[in-house]
Amino acid sequence: NAGVTQTPKFRVLKTGQSMTLLCAQDMNHEYMYWYRQDPGMGLRLIHYSVGEGTTAKGEVPDGYNVSRLKKQNFLLGLESAAPSQTSVYFCASSGDRTDYGYTFGSGTRLTVV
Amino acid sequence: SQQGEEDPQALSIQEGENATMNCSYKTSINNLQWYRQNSGRGLVHLILIRSNEREKHSGRLRVTLDTSKKSSSLLITASRAADTASYFCATDRNDYKLSFGAGTTVTVRA
Repeated sequence: NAGVTQTPKFRVLKTGQSMTLLCAQDMNHEYMYWYRQDPGMGLRLIHYSVGEGTTAKGEVPDGYNVSRLKKQNFLLGLESAAPSQTSVYFCASSGDRTDYGYTFGSGTRLTVV
Repeated sequence: SQQGEEDPQALSIQEGENATMNCSYKTSINNLQWYRQNSGRGLVHLILIRSNEREKHSGRLRVTLDTSKKSSSLLITASRAADTASYFCATDRNDYKLSFGAGTTVTVRA
């Protein structure tokens, strides 16, 4: 089925470790996004991309880096994980923002201890 | 900062009743969208309403938009147990990204 796939689904990191979250979409969407969801705070935008090779900062970019080397993939990196980065991370993509909504992945639950 | 704010934060209704939730936002928008999130899952797009539209329907969903009041409402008619979820409004200000509210948690009792 077409959609957005996130890997891994769960991860536990120790403070200071690094990791990369992978998001892949097979809908040929131009726009891709990384959000984090914390209890009572809704979704906050970390970084986004408006096309292959582009990235931009969102609302809460500190401590994260991203890359969009291929149109279908959007990677989110944590260079030195902190307990404050414990969250559920969602990737989303969109083809036409004016007429259609976003397609979300199922999320990555990250715990930093 | 979050653009949209949903009200109420939580809602509990009996199966068969209607559920109404509201969203207020701060700045002018290109469109407003509603999403549903079941527990432990990703968000699912429900409906999009453009800034020049006032009302839109999709199955048992009815969305209204009042740009003069900067507010929107989502009505779910004849609710079912499967409608138990969190509902989020999201605003598109034509700046390539959506801003989400904190959501309304709806519980439908059998």
